[in-house]
Amino acid sequence: EDQVTQSPEALRLQEGESSSLNCSYTVSGLRGLFWYRQDPGKGPEFLFTLYSAGEEKEKERLKATLTKKESFLHITAPKPEDSATYLCAVQSSSGGYNKLIFGAGTRLAVHP
Amino acid sequence: DTGVSQNPRHKITKRGQNVTFRCDPISEHNRLYWYRQTLGQGPEFLTYFQNEAQLEKSRLLSDRFSAERPKGSFSTLEIQRTEQGDSAMYLCASSSWREETQYFGPGTRLLVL
Repeated sequence: EDQVTQSPEALRLQEGESSSLNCSYTVSGLRGLFWYRQDPGKGPEFLFTLYSAGEEKEKERLKATLTKKESFLHITAPKPEDSATYLCAVQSSSGGYNKLIFGAGTRLAVHP
Repeated sequence: DTGVSQNPRHKITKRGQNVTFRCDPISEHNRLYWYRQTLGQGPEFLTYFQNEAQLEKSRLLSDRFSAERPKGSFSTLEIQRTEQGDSAMYLCASSSWREETQYFGPGTRLLVL
């Protein structure tokens, strides 16, 4: 069964303190791995799509990487406005039409 | 370019009542998805439309749930005889045939009393 596990569940950082969020997945054929940011009471906001092991994508203070078993979201010198829940999702080549399978997310709090 | 819109944003209802939610996808997107999210969890897939055809339904979608996309544009999700366990955020997403990325709307938060 396709599955996504994110760790840690919650992370507290001081402003400027870099860290990484982990997304481990088991899937029968990866079509794509997606990172989203979600603020309280809002819908997920798209960040990155990764398709193959070794691929990396960057946007401002965020960098996403992908291996055959996991993905990392690296946050460099975070600011308080980076506080949110970060969701990881996979799309399986055998799991039906295009649906995303999400992890439970990592709640990030960045304090000044 | 407007994003995905959902209405209403919030809905409070009594157990046993029927509710209907609407989703308007990004204009050129032919694929539309419904997800449900409960507190502290990631979104769970409910159903998928390509144009007006409903191509996939999750086992989560009981007989009380029905979704339509009559002209391949907006979609509605109806829940009949609501139960307290239906309380959740209902999210709509859309994507283009050109790319896999799904773009989400702001969601409809349902509270069943």
